[in-house]
Amino acid sequence: QQQVRQSSQSLTVWEGETAILNCSYENSAFDYFPWYQQFPGEGPALLIAIRSVSDKKEDGRFTIFFNKREKNLSLHIKDSQPGDSATYFCAASASSGSWQLIFGSGTQLTVMP
Amino acid sequence: EAAVTQSPRNKVAVTGGKVTLSCNQTNNHNNMYWYRQDTGHGLRLIHYSYGAGSTEKGDIPDGYKASRPSQENFSLILELATPSQTSVYFCASGDEGGENTEVFFGKGTRLTVV
Repeated sequence: QQQVRQSSQSLTVWEGETAILNCSYENSAFDYFPWYQQFPGEGPALLIAIRSVSDKKEDGRFTIFFNKREKNLSLHIKDSQPGDSATYFCAASASSGSWQLIFGSGTQLTVMP
Repeated sequence: EAAVTQSPRNKVAVTGGKVTLSCNQTNNHNNMYWYRQDTGHGLRLIHYSYGAGSTEKGDIPDGYKASRPSQENFSLILELATPSQTSVYFCASGDEGGENTEVFFGKGTRLTVV
């Protein structure tokens, strides 16, 4: 049973479009939600994160929208670029627990030029 | 710059053999983690550690042992490797707390068990 679920295994958008990657979770105790970006041959790296007290977090072209009631969140990548092509992992942790990050299965994003 | 270094980067092992994957971090983080990455499963936690001398079981510990002899080093040990353990393994380090709690990953070790 996956605690963090990413609905799409892959997503393809055109350059300049907004890519939307979705994520849902089951554990109400989760209160920290980072998104990690991974390029081929590399380890994942933190892209942007949100805490459950907020419903939106923006960093440049990247925005997280968070819905605590529905237990879901999404990563929006505005003005997508070919260099954004990577695998994106949604993750979650609970500050009240052992704080381990639980990862979703990832969404492979391809941005076509 | 946070640094997590894994060795080897690639390894071919025989079924039944012993495999040791090594990880070194220069971040002075208390917490270290071993994950494996498989298509369709994302990153799954095998073992983790809160500091030198401690190891804890993650979500999929069966068939794996871990060792944390120092703050900097964390090893993953496969005593009797099996083909099902063919995967890419990532080591990571991090500390909880703060606005930007972050876990730093190494570049991974690709293990093939034949």
